[in-house]
Amino acid sequence: TQLLEQSPQFLSIQEGENLTVYCNSSSVFSSLQWYRQEPGEGPVLLVTVVTGGEVKKLKRLTFQFGDARKDSSLHITAAQPGDTGLYLCAGAREGQKLVFGQGTRLTINP
Amino acid sequence: DSGVTQTPKHLITATGQRVTLRCSPRSGDLSVYWYQQSLDQGLQFLIQYYNGEERAKGNILERFSAQQFPDLHSELNLSSLELGDSALYFCASSVALFGNTIYFGEGSWLTVV
Repeated sequence: TQLLEQSPQFLSIQEGENLTVYCNSSSVFSSLQWYRQEPGEGPVLLVTVVTGGEVKKLKRLTFQFGDARKDSSLHITAAQPGDTGLYLCAGAREGQKLVFGQGTRLTINP
Repeated sequence: DSGVTQTPKHLITATGQRVTLRCSPRSGDLSVYWYQQSLDQGLQFLIQYYNGEERAKGNILERFSAQQFPDLHSELNLSSLELGDSALYFCASSVALFGNTIYFGEGSWLTVV
């Protein structure tokens, strides 16, 4: 059983479209991170959210932490081929190691 | 550049052999983590060291072992290799024992033939 469930697992859309991916859990996290991994490379940290309800923007990417700190979403506006990759969420709990979701594999077609 | 260095980047070896993967964490980071990622799979946590001591163990096979040295670099030893061990192996590091942000190296591609 995955502590962090990401959905969808796979998403393929056309350039210019908007999309949202989700990271859900029944557990409360002290913080949640989003990473992007491109093929053959290591995951790269995009953002950390800490406060329930927090919203952070990174250019065309908007990250939101749920009010109860159990879930998060990543919304991409006007997706571009450069956004293609594996998006991983990871949750931190006090005194425990980081827990990763299984990832959403995103493909943006030109 | 995350500051985490892994060597080698690519490795091809035969079944039954043994290999060692090396990781240098970011300067100042005391925690080192090892992850395995098979083709089109998520990250599978293997093991964590903090300041030289093993602190958490995941789905690591008995044929695999790791250690962290006094200078904080770490090695992952994989022995009696099987075809199914072919994967990307990532090292990551953080300052704290349970860091809420960890930084990944670029990985070591292992192909077992």
